[in-house]
Amino acid sequence: EVQLVESGGGLVQPGGSLRLSCAASGFAVSSNYMSWVRQAPGKGLEWVSVIYNGGSTYYADSVKGRFTISRDNSKNTLYLHMNALRADDTAVYYCARDGGAYNRALDPWGQGTLVTVSS
Amino acid sequence: QTVVTQEPSFSVSPGGTVTLTCGLSSGSVSSSYYPSWYQQTPGQAPRTLIYTTNTRSSGVPDRFSGSILGNKAALTITGAQADDESDYYCVLYMGSGISVFGGGTKVTVL
Repeated sequence: EVQLVESGGGLVQPGGSLRLSCAASGFAVSSNYMSWVRQAPGKGLEWVSVIYNGGSTYYADSVKGRFTISRDNSKNTLYLHMNALRADDTAVYYCARDGGAYNRALDPWGQGTLVTVSS
Repeated sequence: QTVVTQEPSFSVSPGGTVTLTCGLSSGSVSSSYYPSWYQQTPGQAPRTLIYTTNTRSSGVPDRFSGSILGNKAALTITGAQADDESDYYCVLYMGSGISVFGGGTKVTVL
């Protein structure tokens, strides 16, 4: 079964750091495009970042320079390293497989992990 | 910065048809933006409905269809059912690795 399970969310102070994990099963993270999407409380979905199978990475302007997407092929796990966190980074963070160059479908999605940035 | 636009809300009667759109603040949406559509109910992860403009994801009922209408991507629900009451989001691939979601449309079935 193709599945994604996020972990690592929690409460962090402004300016702090956090690392989110997304464990994949049923397919290889290394062979796919993988994305992070977030949703602030009561708000819509916001695309955050993608890593291509070749290793190229891209970020939304709102997180560029603060967040880093990476993967560990041996653990079949995607990561999102978040630094200099701000209150407006508070959100549920979802990972999703991206369909790739000619099919940008985000599917499947994980269940999400909540990040709260507050003092 | 280009904004992806969606209607904030729509109401549809059971059995009725509704068409949601996904546009750009500047320019026209075409298939080269690889528009896709997602359904989300409160507290749940999004569910993929449509990708590459008009391809239904596995298990999605055929009352959901995607298209390009004029200068926008569109999601049409034909024969709406009560459990179609959800938030619907489109996302467009802008190129250079960047994707952008629309603000979402809240669909009420009543």
